Amino acid sequence: EPEVTQTPSHQVTQMGQEVILRCVPISNHLYFYWYRQILGQKVEFLVSFYNNEISEKSEIFDDQFSVERPDGSNFTLKIRSTKLEDSAMYFCASSVHGPESGELFFGEGSRLTVL
Amino acid sequence: KNQVEQSPQSLIILEGKNCTLQCNYTVSPFSNLRWYKQDTGRGPVSLTIMTFSENTKSNGRYTATLDADTKQSSLHITASQLSDSASYICVVSPNSGGGADGLTFGKGTHLIIQP
Repeated sequence: EPEVTQTPSHQVTQMGQEVILRCVPISNHLYFYWYRQILGQKVEFLVSFYNNEISEKSEIFDDQFSVERPDGSNFTLKIRSTKLEDSAMYFCASSVHGPESGELFFGEGSRLTVL
Repeated sequence: KNQVEQSPQSLIILEGKNCTLQCNYTVSPFSNLRWYKQDTGRGPVSLTIMTFSENTKSNGRYTATLDADTKQSSLHITASQLSDSASYICVVSPNSGGGADGLTFGKGTHLIIQP
């Protein structure tokens, strides 16, 4: 069964360093998303991407964050200068249809630990 | 502000027993409601998605019900198995073009199945 894959599964970094999290969405999906989940808290929306551009972003997604689809398969989240509070699980998701009606398929997540 | 409240926060039951998890929401107008299962340290996996016109939907031993008038949903798990131990997250999508940022996530119910 097709699935969303994410790498790395766990990354430890020093505060102020740049981090890139990678995702390969399901191949026929058109909408891509990044969410995060701080330990013990609920899943929070970061950004959605459609037709090679950002379609929505939350207040969390400030200038430190960026997303890119460098080729036909990868979808990346970059954090330019990590802060302690960026420590969280980051989930990539994709869907065939738009988020209001389309079923979202999530990856297994990338755990980011900022020291 | 749209909210999704889930109860109980956590639940422990014996293997083989049934249980019911609750989700109350204030999202209006409402498009659909989704239940996800999230194993510890993994990404959420879709169990059911119900539109406002559906009262019940089953997926194996999982049955979701929806009362759009009272804005309540429940997830019933029959004959629980150890593998059902997970967090169960209720997500509500508004019918207002809010996109991915409009999806409102609950904090989840943490279910533990004991042998």
